[in-house]
Amino acid sequence: SAVISQKPSRDICQRGTSLTIQCQVDSQVTMMFWYRQQPGQSLTLIATANQGSEATYESGFVIDKFPISRPNLTFSTLTVSNMSPEDSSIYLCSVSGRMTYEQYFGPGTRLTVT
Amino acid sequence: SQQGEEDPQALSIQEGENATMNCSYKTSINNLQWYRQNSGRGLVHLILIRSNEREKHSGRLRVTLDTSKKSSSLLITASRAADTASYFCATDPRTTSGTYKYIFGTGTRLKVLA
Repeated sequence: SAVISQKPSRDICQRGTSLTIQCQVDSQVTMMFWYRQQPGQSLTLIATANQGSEATYESGFVIDKFPISRPNLTFSTLTVSNMSPEDSSIYLCSVSGRMTYEQYFGPGTRLTVT
Repeated sequence: SQQGEEDPQALSIQEGENATMNCSYKTSINNLQWYRQNSGRGLVHLILIRSNEREKHSGRLRVTLDTSKKSSSLLITASRAADTASYFCATDPRTTSGTYKYIFGTGTRLKVLA
Protein backbone atom coordinates (compact mmCIF):
# COMPACT_ATOMS: atom_id res chain seq x y z
CA SER A 1 0.00 0.00 0.00
CA ALA A 2 1.07 3.60 -0.61
CA VAL A 3 1.96 6.07 2.12
CA ILE A 4 0.08 9.31 1.64
CA SER A 5 0.60 12.61 3.43
CA GLN A 6 -1.49 15.73 3.37
CA LYS A 7 -0.69 19.31 4.30
CA PRO A 8 -2.01 21.07 6.24
CA SER A 9 -3.59 18.62 8.65
CA ARG A 10 -6.03 21.29 9.76
CA ASP A 11 -6.67 24.98 9.26
CA ILE A 12 -9.08 27.69 10.28
CA CYS A 13 -9.73 30.18 7.50
CA GLN A 14 -11.66 33.35 7.02
CA ARG A 15 -14.65 33.56 4.74
CA GLY A 16 -13.72 34.65 1.21
CA THR A 17 -10.14 33.36 1.31
CA SER A 18 -8.66 30.32 -0.41
CA LEU A 19 -6.74 27.33 0.91
CA THR A 20 -4.55 24.94 -1.04
CA ILE A 21 -4.23 21.39 0.25
CA GLN A 22 -1.28 19.28 -0.79
CA CYS A 23 -1.23 15.52 -1.23
CA GLN A 24 2.05 13.64 -1.53
CA VAL A 25 2.46 9.92 -2.23
CA ASP A 26 5.59 7.88 -1.66
CA SER A 27 5.28 6.06 -5.00
CA GLN A 28 4.03 6.75 -8.47
CA VAL A 29 0.31 6.20 -8.83
CA THR A 30 -2.04 6.36 -11.74
CA MET A 31 -5.17 7.79 -10.17
CA MET A 32 -5.59 10.39 -7.45
CA PHE A 33 -8.94 11.40 -6.06
CA TRP A 34 -10.20 14.19 -3.84
CA TYR A 35 -13.10 13.67 -1.44
CA ARG A 36 -14.99 15.76 1.06
CA GLN A 37 -16.43 14.38 4.29
CA GLN A 38 -18.81 16.36 6.47
CA PRO A 39 -18.75 15.46 10.18
CA GLY A 40 -20.56 12.20 10.77
CA GLN A 41 -21.26 11.73 7.09
CA SER A 42 -19.95 9.61 4.26
CA LEU A 43 -17.41 10.66 1.66
CA THR A 44 -18.38 12.63 -1.42
CA LEU A 45 -16.11 12.48 -4.45
CA ILE A 46 -15.09 15.94 -5.64
CA ALA A 47 -12.90 15.07 -8.61
CA THR A 48 -10.42 12.67 -10.14
CA ALA A 49 -6.97 14.15 -10.71
CA ASN A 50 -5.19 12.66 -13.69
CA GLN A 51 -1.57 13.37 -14.46
CA GLY A 52 -1.15 15.26 -17.71
CA SER A 53 -4.81 16.12 -18.16
CA GLU A 54 -7.48 18.22 -16.54
CA ALA A 55 -9.28 16.90 -13.49
CA THR A 56 -12.67 15.30 -13.93
CA TYR A 57 -15.26 16.85 -11.62
CA GLU A 58 -18.34 15.23 -10.16
CA SER A 59 -21.77 16.76 -10.38
CA GLY A 60 -22.04 19.70 -8.03
CA PHE A 61 -18.34 20.55 -8.07
CA VAL A 62 -16.71 23.01 -10.46
CA ILE A 63 -13.16 23.90 -11.36
CA ASP A 64 -13.52 27.55 -10.40
CA LYS A 65 -14.38 26.59 -6.85
CA PHE A 66 -12.07 23.57 -6.51
CA PRO A 67 -9.12 23.93 -8.89
CA ILE A 68 -6.87 20.87 -8.89
CA SER A 69 -3.33 20.38 -10.07
CA ARG A 70 -1.53 17.11 -10.78
CA PRO A 71 1.96 18.01 -11.96
CA ASN A 72 3.40 14.49 -11.61
CA LEU A 73 2.58 10.95 -10.54
CA THR A 74 3.25 11.53 -6.83
CA PHE A 75 1.70 14.93 -6.06
CA SER A 76 -1.59 16.80 -6.32
CA THR A 77 -3.15 19.91 -4.86
CA LEU A 78 -6.76 20.89 -4.23
CA THR A 79 -7.64 24.53 -3.71
CA VAL A 80 -10.84 25.52 -1.97
CA SER A 81 -11.58 28.98 -3.34
CA ASN A 82 -13.63 31.86 -1.99
CA MET A 83 -14.51 29.84 1.07
CA SER A 84 -17.75 30.01 3.00
CA PRO A 85 -18.72 28.26 6.25
CA GLU A 86 -20.43 25.56 4.14
CA ASP A 87 -16.97 24.50 2.96
CA SER A 88 -16.05 23.46 6.50
CA SER A 89 -15.29 19.78 6.14
CA ILE A 90 -12.57 17.17 6.05
CA TYR A 91 -10.86 16.95 2.67
CA LEU A 92 -9.17 13.67 1.79
CA CYS A 93 -7.00 12.63 -1.06
CA SER A 94 -6.72 9.03 -2.14
CA VAL A 95 -4.70 7.07 -4.65
CA SER A 96 -5.21 3.96 -6.67
CA GLY A 97 -3.13 1.87 -9.00
CA ARG A 98 -4.32 0.76 -12.40
CA MET A 99 -3.30 -2.81 -11.72
CA THR A 100 -4.68 -3.33 -8.24
CA TYR A 101 -7.58 -0.86 -8.12
CA GLU A 102 -7.31 -0.79 -4.34
CA GLN A 103 -7.72 2.72 -3.02
CA TYR A 104 -5.75 4.20 -0.15
CA PHE A 105 -6.39 7.41 1.73
CA GLY A 106 -4.39 10.21 3.21
CA PRO A 107 -5.06 11.33 6.80
CA GLY A 108 -7.25 14.23 5.69
CA THR A 109 -7.27 18.00 6.13
CA ARG A 110 -9.79 19.39 8.59
CA LEU A 111 -10.95 22.78 7.35
CA THR A 112 -13.00 25.23 9.39
CA VAL A 113 -14.25 28.41 7.74
CA THR A 114 -15.36 31.24 9.99
CA SER B 1 -24.73 11.55 -5.37
CA GLN B 2 -24.14 8.30 -3.54
CA GLN B 3 -24.10 5.04 -5.35
CA GLY B 4 -24.46 2.85 -2.31
CA GLU B 5 -26.71 2.67 0.68
CA GLU B 6 -25.79 0.67 3.72
CA ASP B 7 -27.89 -0.86 6.37
CA PRO B 8 -28.20 -0.80 9.18
CA GLN B 9 -27.14 2.82 9.70
CA ALA B 10 -26.05 1.88 13.21
CA LEU B 11 -25.40 -1.44 14.90
CA SER B 12 -24.61 -2.21 18.53
CA ILE B 13 -23.47 -5.69 19.55
CA GLN B 14 -21.70 -7.46 22.39
CA GLU B 15 -18.07 -8.44 22.13
CA GLY B 16 -17.74 -11.90 20.64
CA GLU B 17 -20.87 -11.64 18.52
CA ASN B 18 -20.86 -11.42 14.75
CA ALA B 19 -21.67 -8.18 12.95
CA THR B 20 -23.21 -8.06 9.50
CA MET B 21 -23.65 -4.95 7.45
CA ASN B 22 -25.07 -4.66 3.96
CA CYS B 23 -24.42 -2.43 1.00
CA SER B 24 -26.76 -1.94 -1.95
CA TYR B 25 -25.80 -0.05 -5.08
CA LYS B 26 -27.54 1.20 -8.18
CA THR B 27 -25.48 0.53 -11.31
CA SER B 28 -23.23 -2.23 -12.62
CA ILE B 29 -19.79 -2.18 -11.08
CA ASN B 30 -16.26 -3.35 -11.78
CA ASN B 31 -15.47 -3.98 -8.14
CA LEU B 32 -16.49 -3.07 -4.60
CA GLN B 33 -14.35 -2.19 -1.62
CA TRP B 34 -15.00 -2.04 2.11
CA TYR B 35 -13.35 0.49 4.43
CA ARG B 36 -13.19 1.11 8.15
CA GLN B 37 -12.96 4.56 9.69
CA ASN B 38 -12.29 5.01 13.37
CA SER B 39 -13.67 8.17 14.90
CA GLY B 40 -11.71 11.19 13.72
CA ARG B 41 -9.19 9.13 11.79
CA GLY B 42 -8.43 8.14 8.23
CA LEU B 43 -9.95 5.33 6.23
CA VAL B 44 -8.45 1.87 6.30
CA HIS B 45 -8.86 -0.37 3.29
CA LEU B 46 -10.30 -3.77 4.28
CA ILE B 47 -11.18 -5.82 1.22
CA LEU B 48 -11.67 -5.42 -2.53
CA ILE B 49 -14.00 -7.85 -4.28
CA ARG B 50 -14.25 -7.93 -8.06
CA SER B 51 -17.51 -8.22 -9.94
CA ASN B 52 -16.72 -11.80 -11.00
CA GLU B 53 -16.10 -12.88 -7.40
CA ARG B 54 -18.79 -13.99 -4.99
CA GLU B 55 -16.95 -14.23 -1.69
CA LYS B 56 -13.66 -13.17 -0.13
CA HIS B 57 -12.13 -13.67 3.28
CA SER B 58 -9.53 -11.77 5.22
CA GLY B 59 -8.93 -12.85 8.79
CA ARG B 60 -12.22 -12.31 10.66
CA LEU B 61 -13.77 -10.53 7.70
CA ARG B 62 -15.98 -12.15 5.09
CA VAL B 63 -17.35 -10.22 2.15
CA THR B 64 -19.97 -11.46 -0.29
CA LEU B 65 -21.11 -9.90 -3.53
CA ASP B 66 -24.36 -10.57 -5.39
CA THR B 67 -24.27 -8.63 -8.64
CA SER B 68 -27.76 -9.80 -9.62
CA LYS B 69 -29.15 -8.09 -6.53
CA LYS B 70 -26.58 -5.28 -6.63
CA SER B 71 -25.66 -5.90 -3.04
CA SER B 72 -22.73 -6.83 -0.84
CA SER B 73 -22.36 -7.79 2.77
CA LEU B 74 -19.52 -7.52 5.25
CA LEU B 75 -19.42 -10.01 8.10
CA ILE B 76 -17.11 -9.46 11.07
CA THR B 77 -16.87 -12.60 13.18
CA ALA B 78 -16.03 -12.73 16.88
CA SER B 79 -16.15 -8.95 17.17
CA ARG B 80 -13.89 -7.00 19.50
CA ALA B 81 -14.21 -3.59 21.09
CA ALA B 82 -11.47 -2.42 18.70
CA ASP B 83 -13.83 -3.11 15.78
CA THR B 84 -15.94 -0.13 16.89
CA ALA B 85 -15.86 2.16 13.87
CA SER B 86 -17.80 3.30 10.83
CA TYR B 87 -17.75 0.94 7.86
CA PHE B 88 -18.21 2.09 4.28
CA CYS B 89 -18.61 0.32 1.00
CA ALA B 90 -17.29 1.99 -2.15
CA THR B 91 -18.23 0.95 -5.65
CA ASP B 92 -16.49 1.49 -8.96
CA PRO B 93 -19.33 2.07 -11.45
CA ARG B 94 -18.76 0.49 -14.80
CA THR B 95 -18.25 3.10 -17.53
CA THR B 96 -17.41 3.17 -21.21
CA SER B 97 -14.68 5.77 -20.79
CA GLY B 98 -12.04 3.40 -19.47
CA THR B 99 -11.50 5.47 -16.35
CA TYR B 100 -12.67 4.54 -12.90
CA LYS B 101 -13.69 6.18 -9.66
CA TYR B 102 -15.12 5.12 -6.33
CA ILE B 103 -18.43 6.24 -4.93
CA PHE B 104 -19.04 5.71 -1.25
CA GLY B 105 -22.09 4.38 0.50
CA THR B 106 -23.77 5.99 3.45
CA GLY B 107 -21.91 3.92 6.04
CA THR B 108 -22.74 1.77 9.06
CA ARG B 109 -21.68 2.84 12.55
CA LEU B 110 -20.72 -0.25 14.51
CA LYS B 111 -20.37 -0.21 18.28
CA VAL B 112 -18.98 -3.29 20.01
CA LEU B 113 -19.66 -3.38 23.72
CA ALA B 114 -17.09 -4.98 25.99
